[in-house]
Amino acid sequence: QVQLQESGPGLVKPSQTLSLTCTVSGGSISSGSYYWSWIRQPAGKGLEWIGRIYTSGSTNYNPSLKSRVTISVDTSKNQFSLKLSSVTAADTAVYYCARDLGGSYYYWGQGTLVTVSS
Amino acid sequence: DIQMTQSPSSLSASVGDRVTITCQASQDISNYLNWYQQKPGKAPKLLIYDASNLETGVPSRFSGSGSGTDFTFTISSLQPEDIATYYCQQYDNLPRTFGPGTKVDIK
Repeated sequence: QVQLQESGPGLVKPSQTLSLTCTVSGGSISSGSYYWSWIRQPAGKGLEWIGRIYTSGSTNYNPSLKSRVTISVDTSKNQFSLKLSSVTAADTAVYYCARDLGGSYYYWGQGTLVTVSS
Repeated sequence: DIQMTQSPSSLSASVGDRVTITCQASQDISNYLNWYQQKPGKAPKLLIYDASNLETGVPSRFSGSGSGTDFTFTISSLQPEDIATYYCQQYDNLPRTFGPGTKVDIK
């Protein structure tokens, strides 16, 4: 059974960079035709797709965030990561990592709340 | 971006009622549509993929239909454990986009 777990600081100051890591267990991040994705959800609001990475390193980002987002993968650690720069209060949200197969998200992390505040 | 709309935004129904949620895409997405269930404090759970295919282990009271721009999600007999917010999601194009959600309560 594949499991995903987000980790990283729960509090980030405005203008700084948000950094999160997703650790995949129960299977190799390199096996199968999967993309590894980040999705976020502000409190009481809907889901926003941030972007994804293939194990080759190929990435796709949401144009609304593209200038501030970097997603990377470390296959040796079975992890992938999210960096979001120049954060503001609008970036406060629960951040999920998820496995993408053909556009469908079957496996999700439990989510981690990141608050942007001074 | 493909915009997804859902209606209603919330509903209350009695146990055993048939519940229907609609989702509309801003352009033709064929059948590249998923439905998710999200309970408070939890990650979304995939229920329906390819607009009408039930994910393994999901109760058969859940169903989906539609293609193109108009889609429907149905709970044939609402159960107390179905209290959640339901989201549609398109995967025809990048960026992936989700509907705003429909919150389902028990009356």
